[in-house]
Amino acid sequence: DQQVKQNSPSLSVQEGRISILNCDYTNSMFDYFLWYKKYPAEGPTFLISISSIKDKNEDGRFTVFLNKSAKHLSLHIVPSQPGDSAVYFCAATDSGTYKYIFGTGTRLKVLA
Amino acid sequence: GAGVSQSPRYKVAKRGQDVALRCDPISGHVSLFWYQQALGQGPEFLTYFQNEAQLDKSGLPSDRFFAERPEGSVSTLKIQRTQQEDSAVYLCASSSYAVQGAGELFFGEGSRLTVL
Repeated sequence: DQQVKQNSPSLSVQEGRISILNCDYTNSMFDYFLWYKKYPAEGPTFLISISSIKDKNEDGRFTVFLNKSAKHLSLHIVPSQPGDSAVYFCAATDSGTYKYIFGTGTRLKVLA
Repeated sequence: GAGVSQSPRYKVAKRGQDVALRCDPISGHVSLFWYQQALGQGPEFLTYFQNEAQLDKSGLPSDRFFAERPEGSVSTLKIQRTQQEDSAVYLCASSSYAVQGAGELFFGEGSRLTVL
C-alpha cells in the first residue's frame, strides 16, 4: 500500500516555463511534507517543506502548495532552468514519529 | 564533517558474502536513518536510531540485516549472506531533531551494493 504517490514518472518543460510536480498521499495523519531533489550518483538534497497548518510555502523559485482536503501537494518551479533537471521526490511524515515515507519520484527534464 | 559521509560508495559482492556499510552523520545530529533505494523507486525506510538507541528496525527486510550505532555517532549497516535482491543503493540520513516531523533529513551520497 503506497501511502505517498507520484503518478508522473517523468516531465519535460521548456526553460523559463513553469514546472509543476504533483504528489498524492493517503494517510490523513501526515502533517509535514517535504520535497527532495536528486541528481545521479548523489544523495537526495532537501528543497522545501510545508507543515499542514499552511497551504503554501515559498522559497525563491520554488513554491509548495498543500491541499489537505484532497490529500494533494504540488511543487512549482518558476522559472525552470536546465540545472533543475533531476529526480524529485516528495516525502511525508506524521510529526511525533520518525518515519518519512517517500514517493517513487518524478524525473524532470528542463529543455534549453 | 560538513555533510553525511558514506563508505564505500560502491560495493560488489558475491552472493553469500557479508558486507558492511558505514555512515558518518553530521556532527551532533541525534537522529540517524537508513533507507534502501531500489532502481526506479523512492527510498524505503529500514531503521532509525536516536543517539545510540535503535528505536525502530521494522523496515529491515530480514534477519540478515543488522544495524548499529554504538557511540551515538557513526553507524554501520551489515548485511549477512547477501542475496541478489539486496542489490540497491543504501542511503544514510541524519537530523538534528529527536522528534521527527519538525525538520529535514540530510542524506549522504549512498552506498551502491551490487550482488552477483
